[in-house]
Amino acid sequence: QKEVEQNSGPLSVPEGAIASLNCTYSDRVSQSFFWYRQYSGKSPELIMSIYSNGDKEDGRFTAQLNKASQYVSLLIRDSQPSDSATYLCAGIYQGGSEKLVFGKGTKLTVNP
Amino acid sequence: EAGVVQSPRYKIIEKKQPVAFWCNPISGHNTLYWYLQNLGQGPELLIRYENEEAVDDSQLPKDRFSAERLKGVDSTLKIQPAELGDSAVYLCASSQGQLAQETQYFGPGTRLLVL
Repeated sequence: QKEVEQNSGPLSVPEGAIASLNCTYSDRVSQSFFWYRQYSGKSPELIMSIYSNGDKEDGRFTAQLNKASQYVSLLIRDSQPSDSATYLCAGIYQGGSEKLVFGKGTKLTVNP
Repeated sequence: EAGVVQSPRYKIIEKKQPVAFWCNPISGHNTLYWYLQNLGQGPELLIRYENEEAVDDSQLPKDRFSAERLKGVDSTLKIQPAELGDSAVYLCASSQGQLAQETQYFGPGTRLLVL
């Protein structure tokens, strides 16, 4: 099992809809989780971090963490075409030296 | 405040040639990372520096890859000789502290194509 797994998509939603991005992680990943947004040809940019069970909201973005199910999600409300990007889920790998490990990303397209 | 700076942005070389990438982190950031990102994949850590010390280089293919951060500021990543499979984006990132959960800021990356 990969440390962090994401459905690579692509995920397509109409403008104004809710986009739901999901991520699962292995026993070797824990503590803190991050969602990065990466536009095509650009570098990853942190948009949300979450450290404890439950929901964390920031504007149109809500991150959800369920440690019992080893599941992290990102909800984007009122999706805009400018949200079209690849979303990378990342967690902290606990084996040996701690490091950030990424999923392969989910490509989101928001259609006008 | 300037972000992470990388150069060159693009590099095309023939296999077996050497190549070097340069990174200047955000001012005051003590921790510097080099990542490899293949197409359709997330970034994978190659090496992490805390100041001038390489504290995690377990994923760096040491037969052909080397890195240095001599004065604890900017860093160079080298491949010699390059292979076709090295074609990828090489990302540099930096963070202020040493903890894994510190926010990492990524540079624009160097896109390498090995022919």
